[in-house]
Amino acid sequence: AQSVSQHNHHVILSEAASLELGCNYSYGGTVNLFWYVQYPGQHLQLLLKYFSGDPLVKGIKGFEAEFIKSKFSFNLRKPSVQWSDTAEYFCAVPNAGNNRKLIWGLGTSLAVNP
Amino acid sequence: DAGVIQSPRHEVTEMGQEVTLRCKPISGHDYLFWYRQTMMRGLELLIYFNNNVPIDDSGMPEDRFSAKMPNASFSTLKIQPSEPRDSAVYFCASSFSEYETQYFGPGTRLLVL
Repeated sequence: AQSVSQHNHHVILSEAASLELGCNYSYGGTVNLFWYVQYPGQHLQLLLKYFSGDPLVKGIKGFEAEFIKSKFSFNLRKPSVQWSDTAEYFCAVPNAGNNRKLIWGLGTSLAVNP
Repeated sequence: DAGVIQSPRHEVTEMGQEVTLRCKPISGHDYLFWYRQTMMRGLELLIYFNNNVPIDDSGMPEDRFSAKMPNASFSTLKIQPSEPRDSAVYFCASSFSEYETQYFGPGTRLLVL
């Protein structure tokens, strides 16, 4: 079965700092990769996704993620964070095999200090 | 489209009571997912449906939990009897396929006293 690992559980940054959140998955076959964001008190929403093509994916609000197949990674980046980026970030990958439900990472809580 | 609709938004109940959470997926979506989110366990998939049929319920914690999808526009998650450890935010999500973007509802915040 697929597993997803988010290494950073809590991240605290100052505004304008650069951000990189790690995401590693265990299955090396064809993968679709997702990052979702949950702002305080709100529901999850899609930040960006990778299905195929250019491994560098651009998402909303200046976020991007790079799919590195050899490293089984899909790290999320933003060059300069804002206070409004304070949220919980989740990486998700479909399970391997016939059951393609999404497997979710435990999430990374990002706090950006103004 | 109004997005995924969940009701109620907040529910406070006493231990032992029955709780029913409701979800209306986005029209045209074939997949519906029920998740539970807690601080301790993060986001957990409880069950998901495809074309109203349950596909995987391995995440349902125990027999006290049940879910139905009588038609393409409505699903329920029922807890009977409820226990304090069921306190969590329950999200419903829908999508066109298992691989596609899931659209989440606003969640139901459940507190069992």
